[in-house]
Amino acid sequence: KQEVTQIPAALSVPEGENLVLNCSFTDSAIYNLQWFRQDPGKGLTSLLLIQSSQREQTSGRLNASLDKSSGRSTLYIAASQPGDSATYLCAVRMDTGRRALTFGSGTRLQVQP
Amino acid sequence: DAGVTQSPTHLIKTRGQQVTLRCSPISGHKSVSWYQQVLGQGPQFIFQYYEKEERGRGNFPDRFSARQFPNYSSELNVNALLLGDSALYLCASSLTGPRGEQYFGPGTRLTVT
Repeated sequence: KQEVTQIPAALSVPEGENLVLNCSFTDSAIYNLQWFRQDPGKGLTSLLLIQSSQREQTSGRLNASLDKSSGRSTLYIAASQPGDSATYLCAVRMDTGRRALTFGSGTRLQVQP
Repeated sequence: DAGVTQSPTHLIKTRGQQVTLRCSPISGHKSVSWYQQVLGQGPQFIFQYYEKEERGRGNFPDRFSARQFPNYSSELNVNALLLGDSALYLCASSLTGPRGEQYFGPGTRLTVT
């Protein structure tokens, strides 16, 4: 059974800092991995999708990497801003069997102005 | 283009009652998935539909059921509500099928008293 873990559970940083959010998964036979942002009480906003054959994806100040063999992904946020404050969720989809996403519990990020 | 829409936004029900939640996918998307998110946790997969056929089911009791209509909209039904069914119910759609990038709606907040 795939399990996804996100560390740390919560993070508080001053504005302008670069930061890294971690995601690990137990079964490396994944099809793709997706990073989401969730504001309190809201739905999920897709940030980046990495296919299993890719090593990284970039969008603006965000960069996500994938090391499939070691079961790890990182989300790098450059020059953090107060508007980046949210919960960040990592989710993986298996290569075979059920095609649903398996989510981690998220990292709650607070960027202090 | 409109994103994924869900109705209602909020709902309060009593234990034992039945509830129907609705989801309209992004235009052109034929895959719809349902997830349950309990406070403080990542979303848990409930159902996935593609081209009006069930393509996956999570570990939820038979009280949960769903269907997809010819216009690709979907309904999630929950019978005999329990207090533990209180959660944010999220709907996601995908353009490229069950394994494609998922786009989530704002969710329906269900409270069972």
